[in-house]
Amino acid sequence: DTAVSQTPKYLVTQMGNDKSIKCEQNLGHDTMYWYKQDSKKFLKIMFSYNNKELIINETVPNRFSPKSPDKAHLNLHINSLELGDSAVYFCASSQDFVGSSPLHFGNGTRLTVT
Amino acid sequence: EDKVVQSPLSLVVHEGDTVTLNCSYEVTNFRSLLWYKQEKKAPTFLFMLTSSGIEKKSGRLSSILDKKELFSILNITATQTGDSAIYLCAVRPGTASKLTFGTGTRLQVTL
Repeated sequence: DTAVSQTPKYLVTQMGNDKSIKCEQNLGHDTMYWYKQDSKKFLKIMFSYNNKELIINETVPNRFSPKSPDKAHLNLHINSLELGDSAVYFCASSQDFVGSSPLHFGNGTRLTVT
Repeated sequence: EDKVVQSPLSLVVHEGDTVTLNCSYEVTNFRSLLWYKQEKKAPTFLFMLTSSGIEKKSGRLSSILDKKELFSILNITATQTGDSAIYLCAVRPGTASKLTFGTGTRLQVTL
């Protein structure tokens, strides 16, 4: 049973398109995250939601819009894709936002913008 | 801004060697430091450290934190080819749940 699952695994699209990545966790966690990992393997936080409420919003272009329909799901919609958006996007979850537990990561979505 | 620096950036060792990976950090109101192993896909959790001087151990891996000098080390003894991965260090401040990651140490274990 996959704890944090993301779809799709791979996404290849052209500049200017709009795309979405979906994430679901079955761990019963309250907090979910989106991280971006660039070509140098550097992982950087984008957003965090706790019980469907946005609690962290780093300096991310407003072309990126997260949505959390319930605490088990956190989706990421990206408008007007650019070449620089190419990266691996990881969803993660943790038991709470206080920070007493580790993050559990999904397997990532590799986005390639051509 | 929180900062994590890992060294070395990459390392090649022979199977059976012992390695030490380093992580130094700057964080506002430190809460915890975490180590992850990343092979091809998801980073997988190894250790979470909150107190200085207490070693955490799991098989051949161990880690310790020094909150005074602001660093942590991850030791791997009797390395195996399956230890080849990127090892990521991350810190978490007391005021937010987010983790700030270092750029990782790429470890390659050869036969």
